[in-house]
Amino acid sequence: EPEVTQTPSHQVTQMGQEVILRCVPISNHLYFYWYRQILGQKVEFLVSFYNNEISEKSEIFDDQFSVERPDGSNFTLKIRSTKLEDSAMYFCASSRQGGSNQPQHFGDGTRLSIL
Amino acid sequence: DQQVKQNSPSLSVQEGRISILNCDYTNSMFDYFLWYKKYPAEGPTFLISISSIKDKNEDGRFTVFLNKSAKHLSLHIVPSQPGDSAVYFCAADLTGGGNKLTFGTGTQLKVEL
Repeated sequence: EPEVTQTPSHQVTQMGQEVILRCVPISNHLYFYWYRQILGQKVEFLVSFYNNEISEKSEIFDDQFSVERPDGSNFTLKIRSTKLEDSAMYFCASSRQGGSNQPQHFGDGTRLSIL
Repeated sequence: DQQVKQNSPSLSVQEGRISILNCDYTNSMFDYFLWYKKYPAEGPTFLISISSIKDKNEDGRFTVFLNKSAKHLSLHIVPSQPGDSAVYFCAADLTGGGNKLTFGTGTQLKVEL
């Protein structure tokens, strides 16, 4: 069964450094998402992306965050100048289409630890 | 932000019996609901969903019930199996919302032998 893959599984970075989290969505999916889960808290939406544009973003997704689809298969989340509070599990997801009634399929996540 | 709530942090059920996981929501604009299962060190795995135009959806051992007037949904697993032991998340979406899923806090299900 096709799946969303994320790399690396664990990223340790010094505060203030830039980090790029990588995702390969399911190949025939057109919509892509990033979510995060801070330890002990809910899974929170960050951003949705379609047709090389951000469709929706949350309050969390401020100017330090950016997303990109650099080629036909990868989808990346960049965090500039990381802060301690950016430590979390980051999940990438994709769906075949947008709109309601379209389940999103998640990768296994990248654990980001900011020191 | 408590738009989706799962009030039971944990549930323990015997193998073969029914597991019932509950979820409440406050936003009446939500029109699509999903259940995900999550094992440690893995991402959420999609289980089953329901549109607000239905009140029941069934897939094998999993059935989701939606009560719109009560803003309540539940996931029934029958019969429960030890491999069902995981954290179960309820999530909600709304048309025109940018496909932004709103998650509950999760319920840890333990199926005992």
